[in-house]
Amino acid sequence: QVQLQESGPGLVKPSETLSLTCIVSGDSINNYYWSWIRQPLGKGLEWIGYVYYSGSAKYNPSLKSRVTISVDTSKNQFSLKLRSVTAADTAVYYCSRVMYSRGRFDPWGQGTLVTVSS
Amino acid sequence: QSALTQPASVSGSPGQSVTITCTGTSSDVGGYNYVSWYGQYPGKAPKLLIYDVIHRPSGVSSRVSGSKSGNTASLTISGLQAEDEADYFCSSYTDSSTLVFGGGTKLTVL
Repeated sequence: QVQLQESGPGLVKPSETLSLTCIVSGDSINNYYWSWIRQPLGKGLEWIGYVYYSGSAKYNPSLKSRVTISVDTSKNQFSLKLRSVTAADTAVYYCSRVMYSRGRFDPWGQGTLVTVSS
Repeated sequence: QSALTQPASVSGSPGQSVTITCTGTSSDVGGYNYVSWYGQYPGKAPKLLIYDVIHRPSGVSSRVSGSKSGNTASLTISGLQAEDEADYFCSSYTDSSTLVFGGGTKLTVL
């Protein structure tokens, strides 16, 4: 069965770029959409965006100017870059497979906490 | 895009049924049958419970069901058990070809 694992720095300085990678195991990254979702501690979920295995991506309009999601099919992984971060970007970041572009996030990675602080 | 509206909390006693609502607009929940529900159990990542409004993935309890009327989708858990205590989130496709989540509902089993 497919498993996802997020990796990346747990601490990022304000104004810098947050970079995370999601390694996919147990299935090919081909033929699916792959998404990033975040959750500030104690709060709700926020969809960041998704990328298709072909490389085409769609983003949350509120984050679109700062976000890039890319895919590396040779490594069976996909990545998130969020630029010009502030304390408001502190959250648990989850990666997930999206069965199709209209939703259905399954499964999810375990999540990784990223704190924005100097 | 605005988050879908869910009640902050609901509660029920063991054996009872509870329903969690998810209200959007005709541009998301009301316009498409692409609503999904997720349960987030303490300290865990969210887990898919319902997709496409009514469909239950294999392995999810038959006590869980979904429905939709107009701009409001609902998740019902029957025969409430202590293990059902969790946070629940809805999600919907939108007419901007994006995805949006609800604010989440905390279910307490009394």
